[in-house]
Amino acid sequence: KAGVTQTPRYLIKTRGQQVTLSCSPISGHRSVSWYQQTPGQGLQFLFEYFSETQRNKGNFPGRFSGRQFSNSRSEMNVSTLELGDSALYLCASSLGLAADNEQFFGPGTRLTVL
Amino acid sequence: EDKVVQSPLSLVVHEGDTVTLNCSYEVTNFRSLLWYKQEKKAPTFLFMLTSSGIEKKSGRLSSILDKKELFSILNITATQTGDSAVYLCAAQGEGAQKLVFGQGTRLTINP
Repeated sequence: KAGVTQTPRYLIKTRGQQVTLSCSPISGHRSVSWYQQTPGQGLQFLFEYFSETQRNKGNFPGRFSGRQFSNSRSEMNVSTLELGDSALYLCASSLGLAADNEQFFGPGTRLTVL
Repeated sequence: EDKVVQSPLSLVVHEGDTVTLNCSYEVTNFRSLLWYKQEKKAPTFLFMLTSSGIEKKSGRLSSILDKKELFSILNITATQTGDSAVYLCAAQGEGAQKLVFGQGTRLTINP
C-alpha cells in the first residue's frame, strides 16, 4: 500500500508570493492533518480535515488556509509569504477519527522563502 | 493550553546502552499518546498508547503510558547507531486528530 505522498517536495518562493502544497493520503484514509515544522517551534498543528470538512485549526494567521476534496486529497495554501514561513510542511493521514486510528506522515514539502 | 514536555532534550550514549526517554503531557480530554522517530525526513510511527499500564513492544523498543501521572516513557535496549534520531512524543485529545508535539529528544548513539 502506498504511503502518504506530498508534492512538491521542495519549493523556493519569494516574499509576497503565494504557494499551494498538496497531500494525498494513504488509500482508504479519510482524515488529513497538516503540520509546520521549524527548528525553533518544532512541530505545530495547522489544520485537520475529515470528509471535506475542517474540524480543527491551529493558531496560525488567516494567510494559511486549506481544503479537502471528495477523494480525501488535501491542499494547503499560504498567501503573502513571509520569511518566517520557511519550514517543512508535513501532512499526516489516518483512517478516520477513532481513538485507535494511527496517523502516518508524508515526506513533507520543504518551503524556502527568500 | 495543551502541552507536551519531553526530557531530556538531548542524550548521547554508547552503542549497547539502554536509554529511557520521558514524555509528560497536559491535554484536554486526553485519549492517546504517540511516539515517532524522526531522522532527516518525516516522522515514522513507533507506538500509539491509549491504556494505562499496558506495555507496547517492538523489537528493542518498548513504551508504556501512565494516565494517572500523565506521562509516558520510551525504552530502547541494546542501542545501535541506527537508533540515532529525534524521538517525538505527541498527545491527542478526544474527537480530534490534532497532535500536540513535544520538543523532541535528540538521541545520539556513538559506536
